[in-house]
Amino acid sequence: KAGVTQTPRYLIKTRGQQVTLSCSPISGHRSVSWYQQTPGQGLQFLFEYFSETQRNKGNFPGRFSGRQFSNSRSEMNVSTLELGDSALYLCASSLESGGTEAFFGQGTRLTVV
Amino acid sequence: GENVEQHPSTLSVQEGDSAVIKCTYSDSASNYFPWYKQELGKRPQLIIDIRSNVGEKKDQRIAVTLNKTAKHFSLHITETQPEDSAVYFCAASMGGGADGLTFGKGTHLIIQP
Repeated sequence: KAGVTQTPRYLIKTRGQQVTLSCSPISGHRSVSWYQQTPGQGLQFLFEYFSETQRNKGNFPGRFSGRQFSNSRSEMNVSTLELGDSALYLCASSLESGGTEAFFGQGTRLTVV
Repeated sequence: GENVEQHPSTLSVQEGDSAVIKCTYSDSASNYFPWYKQELGKRPQLIIDIRSNVGEKKDQRIAVTLNKTAKHFSLHITETQPEDSAVYFCAASMGGGADGLTFGKGTHLIIQP
């Protein structure tokens, strides 16, 4: 069974631009969560989608948004990029929502210059 | 919201000795506690998890204990080996129909030969 796939692996963007990251969960998994990982703040929860609905949201500004499609693939969008948005963005998929094993993708390394 | 504290931030042990990493959580509604191992440049990988209706769980050299009253859980690694060197993260999830993990800041485990 294929694992969680994130694209692209690396991105370099300029301040003020926007970016869209993609996550394909493990086949059959319906929950996708997104996390931001930085050396200073560690792993921080962004949001979770289950059956195309956002179920939970972390403490991030409205510039961070996401969506989930009917095939469970998810996208995350960051608008008006800031230097502080530079991070590794990880998505994790779970079979169901609510305290089930989460499997992470390799992440997208975003650098804002 | 949930807050997870993890200690120590760095742990150095001799090969063959045991390692213990401790975490506390703040929300008594949390009911799922996974541990992840992240090697340099790789994705976090689930190594063991425990639910709030269980006090202890073992998997070969790895064990996790949970004290719901104290809101405290720990990871125990016995007979440490060089390949155990990595950053370990504890996390807590409320479960109950919505996902989203709150992570500790991580412990850098160093196995000295």
